[in-house]
Order: sequence, then structure tokens, then C-alpha cells
Amino acid sequence: DAGVIQSPRHEVTEMGQEVTLRCKPISGHNSLFWYRQTMMRGLELLIYFNNNVPIDDSGMPEDRFSAKMPNASFSTLKIQPSEPRDSAVYFCASSTFSTSGSTDTQYFGPGTRLTVL
Amino acid sequence: AQKITQTQPGMFVQEKEAVTLDCTYDTSDPSYGLFWYKQPSSGEMIFLIYQGSYDQQNATEGRYSLNFQKARKSANLVISASQLGDSAMYFCVGGGANSKLTFGKGITLSVRP
Repeated sequence: DAGVIQSPRHEVTEMGQEVTLRCKPISGHNSLFWYRQTMMRGLELLIYFNNNVPIDDSGMPEDRFSAKMPNASFSTLKIQPSEPRDSAVYFCASSTFSTSGSTDTQYFGPGTRLTVL
Repeated sequence: AQKITQTQPGMFVQEKEAVTLDCTYDTSDPSYGLFWYKQPSSGEMIFLIYQGSYDQQNATEGRYSLNFQKARKSANLVISASQLGDSAMYFCVGGGANSKLTFGKGITLSVRP
């Protein structure tokens, strides 16, 4: 079975440019999460979706960041304009969504390593 | 809110020996789960094992087992018969009813040949 797919795997861009990161969740999963990992701050949840609807975007750093999930099999995280401090590894993860109150296992994609010069 | 604490410095273990990675948690959720993830130097985040707060028995997955002590609020990962490929960063992670995960700071495990 295919896991979570992310593209690109590496992105190098210049400050001020728009960056779009892409994610395809595991088929059948209806929750999708975007994380950012840096040495200083560790792993941070940016936003998550249930059934394509954004549920919590309190982790999005600022208005330069936006995320969409137009359908169950695709999500994007966009940074416009990008800044050097956005350099990090960005992970997408997906899980099933349980209404029973338990937390389902999240499966992570390979990550996108973003470098903003 | 949840708090996950991993305080061990980097750990070393001899190949084929067992090692325990410590984790304590604090949560107000009545229903919660504890996860362990592995992140090798290649960077991917790999799910290892899960323990639900209501599970009666400790979780096991192959060479991984979770020593879950609810009264002590600890969820230590035990890796038996360590292999060189086990060298990685290990994260203890808490999950609550709101689907959000709380990651510990992680611990680096190095397996010596």
C-alpha cells in the first residue's frame, strides 16, 4: 500500500518567492495534518483537516501560510512570500478519524526539506 | 493539554542488547493514547507502537514493547535485541480526543556494534 506522498522532497527558493508543498494522504484516511520540524522548535502542528474541512489552524505562523484540501486525496501548503526563517522540514500526515474520542495513529510522509535563501 | 517529557540524554546500547527509552506524560484527557515514533537520520517519521489509555495489556510490536504504568504516568519503550538500524531519534507522543498529537523532545539512540 502506498503511504503518504509528499512533493517535492527538497525545495530551495529565494526569499520572497511563493512555495507550494503538496500532499497525498493514504487512501481511506479522512484526517490530514501539516507539521513543521526545526532544530529549535521541534515538531509543530500547523493545521489539520477532517473530511477536507480545516479544523484547527492555530499553529499556522502567520498570514503568509495557507493550506487547502480541495478533495480527499490532495492537500497543499503554500507560503507566500517565503522568508529564510521558514526553512524547515514540512511533514504531512494522515489518519482515520474516530468519533469515539480516541486518537488514531498518524502516518507521516517523507517530508519536504525547504530552504529559503 | 498534554505534556510529554523525555529527559534522558543520548542513549547508547550494544548490538543485540535490550534498551529502555523513558517517557512520562501528563494529561487531563480521560481518554488518551501514547505513541512512539522513530526518526532515522534519513528524516522520515516512522510509527512504531501505540498504547491506549484503557488498554489492559502492554502493547507489543515485534521487538518493540511499551511498558505502560498508568499510576506513574509513564510509557517507556523497550527495544529488545537492538540492531544497528535502530540507531535513530525516538519520540514519545501523546494523543487526546481532539486528534492533536503532542511530541516529546526526542531521544537519540546509538547502537554500538
